[in-house]
Amino acid sequence: DSGVTQTPKHLITATGQRVTLRCSPRSGDLSVYWYQQSLDQGLQFLIQYYNGEERAKGNILERFSAQQFPDLHSELNLSSLELGDSALYFCASSVAGGPLDEQFFGPGTRLTVL
Amino acid sequence: GENVGLHLPTLSVQEGDNSIINCAYSNSASDYFIWYKQESGKGPQFIIDIRSNMDKRQGQRVTVLLNKTVKHLSLQIAATQPGDSAVYFCAERSQAGTALIFGKGTTLSVSS
Repeated sequence: DSGVTQTPKHLITATGQRVTLRCSPRSGDLSVYWYQQSLDQGLQFLIQYYNGEERAKGNILERFSAQQFPDLHSELNLSSLELGDSALYFCASSVAGGPLDEQFFGPGTRLTVL
Repeated sequence: GENVGLHLPTLSVQEGDNSIINCAYSNSASDYFIWYKQESGKGPQFIIDIRSNMDKRQGQRVTVLLNKTVKHLSLQIAATQPGDSAVYFCAERSQAGTALIFGKGTTLSVSS
């Protein structure tokens, strides 16, 4: 158990809908990262937050957005969902978000778009 | 561009054998590499890392080798056990500094 929690574990929805994925980092970690894992693209970095502020951005679509709240939990919002958005979404956390900080991954949320 | 990949999608070994999982990277500016293990239904788990100023690093039953000349990274697992069965990813730090760029993974199957 990494100490990172994600909810829900599974999510099934329809095209065009909007969903919110939630992540609680390990106790004491200030930085949160979001990754998408799909069969064809592998694990891809989406976005990173540190203490409530966006720190780095990867291959995140405009239909997706995220934020980190004062209590340090984070939410990833996915809107206008398409079939291709079906994937595993992982959250990771690290102590200070530095380049050599170990990232601890949560168990993921499996999103299925029908 | 930044691209970290693995040579083989699958590797099957017998329990007790040594396993070697390979990874080729294309960004010569990358200076930090990590191996992750992902078991079914779980998130990636850190195994071992190495900086570019080293060519070898050892952990418990695992060794990572880095050959910067040919941009090659490998993970050696000694005395492989059934519990080592998982997907293994190599990753590098992106040029942005904190994001991880993952390769596509090698599935290791250990039979007893």
